[in-house]
Amino acid sequence: GENVEQHPSTLSVQEGDSAVIKCTYSDSASNYFPWYKQELGKGPQLIIDIRSNVGEKKDQRIAVTLNKTAKHFSLHITETQPEDSAVYFCAGSSDSRLTFGEGTQLTVNP
Amino acid sequence: NAGVMQNPRHLVRRRGQEARLRCSPMKGHSHVYWYRQLPEEGLKFMVYLQKENIIDESGMPKERFSAEFPKEGPSILRIQQVVRGDSAAYFCASSPSVDTEAFFGQGTRLTVV
Repeated sequence: GENVEQHPSTLSVQEGDSAVIKCTYSDSASNYFPWYKQELGKGPQLIIDIRSNVGEKKDQRIAVTLNKTAKHFSLHITETQPEDSAVYFCAGSSDSRLTFGEGTQLTVNP
Repeated sequence: NAGVMQNPRHLVRRRGQEARLRCSPMKGHSHVYWYRQLPEEGLKFMVYLQKENIIDESGMPKERFSAEFPKEGPSILRIQQVVRGDSAAYFCASSPSVDTEAFFGQGTRLTVV
């Protein structure tokens, strides 16, 4: 089955700085990689996703890159704001099920 | 278009009781997934269902846990004879087809006392 590893587990940045979260996956058959943001007491919210036939995707301050050969993908958040503070999860989709990384607690300090 | 609706949001059960968690997918979504999240941990896959069919239950404990998604009505995750270790947040997600965007509900936080 799929195994997704995520780093770092915690990340603290100053407001306005960039934040990068990295994930690796094991199943070469995985073809869909979403990122979720989870705020305290709430459900995961889909913020961006990428498919295996695309190398990069951007949506305003958020971008995701995928290196299929190396089996890793990354989330980039630019111009961070305090409201970006949350837990971020990467996931890989294999056999129609999502396997999640362990999460990154991002703290943006004003 | 309402999002994925889960109820109840909070559920307290005594050891040995049954817990029933409900999930109504987004309109037009026929694929439902259940995940469990222990405190300060990631989301662990439990079961994947389509209408009236269990597609993948490889993440479900073999005993006490069952899930269904009937032709009419919400998907139900049922936990019989709950134990303290079942205390967790249970999230439901839905998608319109396979390998597409999955949207999550707000979860049911089960506490076993």
